[in-house]
Amino acid sequence: NAGVTQTPKFQVLKTGQSMTLQCAQDMNHEYMSWYRQDPGMGLRLIHYSVGAGITDQGEVPNGYNVSRSTTEDFPLRLLSAAPSQTSVYFCASSYGTVGIYEQYFGPGTRLTVT
Amino acid sequence: GQQVMQIPQYQHVQEGEDFTTYCNSSTTLSNIQWYKQRPGGHPVFLIQLVKSGEVKKQKRLTFQFGEAKKNSSLHITATQTTDVGTYFCAGRGSGGSNYKLTFGKGTLLTVNP
Repeated sequence: NAGVTQTPKFQVLKTGQSMTLQCAQDMNHEYMSWYRQDPGMGLRLIHYSVGAGITDQGEVPNGYNVSRSTTEDFPLRLLSAAPSQTSVYFCASSYGTVGIYEQYFGPGTRLTVT
Repeated sequence: GQQVMQIPQYQHVQEGEDFTTYCNSSTTLSNIQWYKQRPGGHPVFLIQLVKSGEVKKQKRLTFQFGEAKKNSSLHITATQTTDVGTYFCAGRGSGGSNYKLTFGKGTLLTVNP
């Protein structure tokens, strides 16, 4: 199993550009989440999904969209990139309810917005 | 909303010294998880604590969950250079459906060989 995969590993965007961060898992996990990690801020939840077709907002959802059309994939869309969105983005999945089951994290995407 | 505070933010030790990081929640937790992130890596699950007063050990690592389920600690005995990284606690609120974990800001541990 590949586990949780994320692409790209690195990305540089100009302010106002849009892009999609890809996340896929091959463990048949129902629960998937997107986090951003900034220095000294820990991991902050952006959006999460409890199953295909079901998504909800986390702590810092503004400027991001998600969809979950399949169990395997959970892409994160930046609508109009801003310098404040410069961060490391992690996708995670878990077998069941987050916080009851361990989360498996992908390798991350380092995004710079200039 | 739920807040999870973690201290210290940084800790530098000599190899062989002990290390402890503490996690405190503003609300009662149903359970708490601990993760380790190596420099440049991604968080990796270490353990989960569920019961009040629970203590779990993994080799040199000892995890505790407070009696009131509002605090937790991770203690490493005789640190090694392989222990370097950031340790995060993450708490799940109690009551009702809750699909979110709230992460502490982490403690960065560096070890001088």
